[in-house]
Amino acid sequence: KNEVEQSPQNLTAQEGEFITINCSYSVGISALHWLQQHPGGGIVSLFMLSSGKKKHGRLIATINIQEKHSSLHITASHPRDSAVYICAVRSGSRLTFGEGTQLTVNP
Amino acid sequence: KAGVTQTPRYLIKTRGQQVTLSCSPISGHRSVSWYQQTPGQGLQFLFEYFSETQRNKGNFPGRFSGRQFSNSRSEMNVSTLELGDSALYLCASSWTSGRNEQFFGPGTRLTVL
Repeated sequence: KNEVEQSPQNLTAQEGEFITINCSYSVGISALHWLQQHPGGGIVSLFMLSSGKKKHGRLIATINIQEKHSSLHITASHPRDSAVYICAVRSGSRLTFGEGTQLTVNP
Repeated sequence: KAGVTQTPRYLIKTRGQQVTLSCSPISGHRSVSWYQQTPGQGLQFLFEYFSETQRNKGNFPGRFSGRQFSNSRSEMNVSTLELGDSALYLCASSWTSGRNEQFFGPGTRLTVL
């Protein structure tokens, strides 16, 4: 079993829909990261969380340390949100990554 | 402020050769981490350097090595290349080790023939 599990693996939505991507982990962590990767490989860090909830524009990330679970929400999704979203957990200076969720938002 | 830069962006090598990849962190960042991304294994942690010292290492063979210079620039080296080393190699920098957001470079795509 992977230390970091993401669901779903693939997600297709219509523009405007509310999207949720889930991440569960099985190890002790000091922080959890949500990353976005566009075709071509570039990775952008969206959030770093150690507790509670963070919001940036249409993106919201939450974490429940007791349940070892985090969610990434996208409100009013747009085709430009199409990308791979990756959850990564930090333990010390090491990041362990989930397999990613391929999101496609159709106009 | 300039972002993380990696050189070269693309590289083609043959089995048995060695390769050196370079990463220049954001100015002021002292931590550089390296990651390998393949279709089969996803993203995996290679190692982290902070103030010229390796702080942590992932589960990769000794053919993978790295170093960091006094200006925080880092290099990673892969010797005796294998077909399975074909991957996107990403580096990321942060202010310190282990506690800050990481900023990723564009990656070096290595193809081993």
